[in-house]
Amino acid sequence: GAGVSQSPRYKVTKRGQDVALRCDPISGHVSLYWYRQALGQGPEFLTYFNYEAQQDKSGLPNDRFSAERPEGSISTLTIQRTEQRDSAMYRCASSLAGQGREAFFGQGTRLTVV
Amino acid sequence: AQSVTQLDSHVSVSEGTPVLLRCNYSSSYSPSLFWYVQHPNKGLQLLLKYTSAATLVKGINGFEAEFKKSETSFHLTKPSAHMSDAAEYFCVVSIYGGSQGNLIFGKGTKLSVKP
Repeated sequence: GAGVSQSPRYKVTKRGQDVALRCDPISGHVSLYWYRQALGQGPEFLTYFNYEAQQDKSGLPNDRFSAERPEGSISTLTIQRTEQRDSAMYRCASSLAGQGREAFFGQGTRLTVV
Repeated sequence: AQSVTQLDSHVSVSEGTPVLLRCNYSSSYSPSLFWYVQHPNKGLQLLLKYTSAATLVKGINGFEAEFKKSETSFHLTKPSAHMSDAAEYFCVVSIYGGSQGNLIFGKGTKLSVKP
């Protein structure tokens, strides 16, 4: 596609429910990143993939968070048993492989847990 | 460990005066460095990047940044601020060749521009 696409743009869910956030990267981009951004804060790294391989998941806060990219393109970030503290903007980015490649960001998914 | 520190959480300037947003980084590897801008309710947009070529990097909208290895700094400047520059700016370090390939963001500097 023309840019990184995230869906849904807004998600309101009840505490305890599971949510799945989708990211469709720019076609041909090898690397895909997930970030979380709380209000008034900078993006916080969650995890990233090269192709379908999850290279680093050290930023995932706990085992309720997981991500996959089974075919090396679209990725899903899943949060199980959501809690109010999970409320944030979740941002996805993609880039070509190689040093210094800029990351292109999607518009984000605003998650609100009530 | 890799990190990036933005020295000011908020900078306020008058329209037409220079802008300086400060950033220091820490890296065990040769870093790539970026500045991103985020306008209210908008996504993140790349302003400029440094990837071991010229140390003075020019970006969009008249911004530029200078990589100073001796000072581990990558400050963002603009000679003359415009009202449309009001936004949040993030300094970002990317490490390649280590175990991490992720982008590490600073906490951001909010730039206000007064008429």
